[in-house]
Amino acid sequence: DAKTTQPNSMESNEEEPVHLPCNHSTISGTDYIHWYRQLPSQGPEYVIHGLTSNVNNRMASLAIAEDRKSSTLILHRATLRDAAVYYCILRAMNYGGSQGNLIFGKGTKLSVKP
Amino acid sequence: TAGITQAPTSQILAAGRSMTLRCTQDMRHNAMYWYRQDLGLGLRLIHYSNTAGTTGKGEVPDGYSVSRANTDDFPLTLASAVPSQTSVYFCASSLRPPGLAVYNEQFFGPGTRLTVL
Repeated sequence: DAKTTQPNSMESNEEEPVHLPCNHSTISGTDYIHWYRQLPSQGPEYVIHGLTSNVNNRMASLAIAEDRKSSTLILHRATLRDAAVYYCILRAMNYGGSQGNLIFGKGTKLSVKP
Repeated sequence: TAGITQAPTSQILAAGRSMTLRCTQDMRHNAMYWYRQDLGLGLRLIHYSNTAGTTGKGEVPDGYSVSRANTDDFPLTLASAVPSQTSVYFCASSLRPPGLAVYNEQFFGPGTRLTVL
């Protein structure tokens, strides 16, 4: 079962920032927080990941709460192309076999209005 | 660079027939995965392979088999298809096996839409 909780859907206006929340109250010390997104009719694509510190890359920023029980994916200026389902996923480290596999929940469907 | 290719793009299959979904990656990734995506259920892992010659079961392996004869190819076979296997199937790969590296992005193919009647 997925160990994260996300809103089913969110709306944003184009060119405005978007904050996508994720709750993971049972996160363990070895869990990394990953975000993937899935554009319509495409396979998922990696967005960003982090452990404790906030992270930035060319696509987005990841803000992680001090107690690590929640995180927020930040899109600084939403574009129409950012309309997608965003998945917040916990990935355990330092395990063999299938324990480090991605477990996708239902994600948040982001709609971007022009 | 092609990345991951999947074939066919879509297929309609009669129940009871067999079918192999093809997946090929050109990134020399060690690990490969098969997921299915059903409406309202998100993606679920079917089988995975940490490296050529090894495979493992995911969350929903029943009715599916895989092989990993070489690094590049990871076919998924349905021996006797049933309507509940109607789904969109995604193949993915990552440089390292899951759980062994901090940065281990999974790259996904475009998917195969399978309908079993």
